[in-house]
Amino acid sequence: KAGVTQTPRYLIKTRGQQVTLSCSPISGHRSVSWYQQTPGQGLQFLFEYFSETQRNKGNFPGRFSGRQFSNSRSEMNVSTLELGDSALYLCASSSGQGYYEQYFGPGTRLTVT
Amino acid sequence: KQEVTQIPAALSVPEGENLVLNCSFTDSAIYNLQWFRQDPGKGLTSLLLIQSSQREQTSGRLNASLDKSSGRSTLYIAASQPGDSATYLCAVDNNNDMRFGAGTRLTVKP
Repeated sequence: KAGVTQTPRYLIKTRGQQVTLSCSPISGHRSVSWYQQTPGQGLQFLFEYFSETQRNKGNFPGRFSGRQFSNSRSEMNVSTLELGDSALYLCASSSGQGYYEQYFGPGTRLTVT
Repeated sequence: KQEVTQIPAALSVPEGENLVLNCSFTDSAIYNLQWFRQDPGKGLTSLLLIQSSQREQTSGRLNASLDKSSGRSTLYIAASQPGDSATYLCAVDNNNDMRFGAGTRLTVKP
């Protein structure tokens, strides 16, 4: 079974631009969660999608948004980029039901200059 | 609000030693607890998942325990190897809201 894939792996953007990151979950998984990891704040939960609906949301500004498609693939968008958005963005997939285990992708390293 | 703390922040041991990593959480109404390993610049690899109704889980040289009433979990690594060097994170799931500790950075010296 293929693992969780994330594209692109690396991105460099300029302040004020927007960016879209993509995550393809493990086949059969219906839940995708997004996390931001920085040296100062550690791993922080952004949001979770299950069957195309946002089921849970962390404490991030509205510039961070996401969506999930009918094939469970998910995208995360960040608008009006700030220097502080530089981070490793990780997505995780799971069955989303019962005592589910989360499986993480390799992450997208975003650098904002 | 759930808060997760991991002690120690860093640990260095000689190869072959048994070691214990600690994780504590403030809200005992958890759904499950998961231990992960992260290598530098990489994603997370799931090591063990303990459901809220369970007391421990084992996989190879790893054993994780959970004491919900005291808000603690431990990860025991037996006969440590240089390849075990990584950051170990625990994560607590409160019904689809997963909170991570800051991690313990483990170095196993040959």
